[in-house]
Amino acid sequence: DTAVSQTPKYLVTQMGNDKSIKCEQNLGHDTMYWYKQDSKKFLKIMFSYNNKELIINETVPNRFSPKSPDKAHLNLHINSLELGDSAVYFCASSQSLLPLHFGNGTRLTVT
Amino acid sequence: GDSVTQMEGPVTLSEEAFLTINCTYTATGYPSLFWYVQYPGEGLQLLLKATKADDKGSNKGFEATYRKETTSFHLEKGSVQVSDSAVYFCALSDQTGANNLFFGTGTRLTVIP
Repeated sequence: DTAVSQTPKYLVTQMGNDKSIKCEQNLGHDTMYWYKQDSKKFLKIMFSYNNKELIINETVPNRFSPKSPDKAHLNLHINSLELGDSAVYFCASSQSLLPLHFGNGTRLTVT
Repeated sequence: GDSVTQMEGPVTLSEEAFLTINCTYTATGYPSLFWYVQYPGEGLQLLLKATKADDKGSNKGFEATYRKETTSFHLEKGSVQVSDSAVYFCALSDQTGANNLFFGTGTRLTVIP
């Protein structure tokens, strides 16, 4: 009965590859997010979707493309992976107002 | 723009010691303030929150008071336990309606027996 689940938990891949991270929430929330946490634990928002509509798009390379097929899913696709993309990526959801409910993170390592 | 500054860690305390993790913020308007906790290998969980000045959020023995005059939201606990070892994030909500949360850099707490 995990509230916000993201897969995979670990992802190791080579530079130049394309990869996706999936996220699903079963809380009935209308807003979903992707956050990036770097090696120093700094957390930065990347995208936010409300009812399948993009409402926040921070300064993120266009190699990153979120896709929301429905309110319960927000997947993150990354093209042409670079070393600097290595980080932990967190999916989160909320019902209009905060607080956020986070997934357990996906640790991406680009070699 | 809105931002949060929290004390750098790591913080190492003995069990039953008093904990304070400082957090100050910069914001326009009247933000809501949060503390999130991240246990090893897990996602962030909401620890406590305060939505207006002088509100005190509390949970699991942790407390933080929204101080508008000092723009602070310091996290305190009177007696820490080993199980409190985690990374703590102070956060501020964006009142533009975009549900944006600004996080501090996180403070790692290690409690030793």
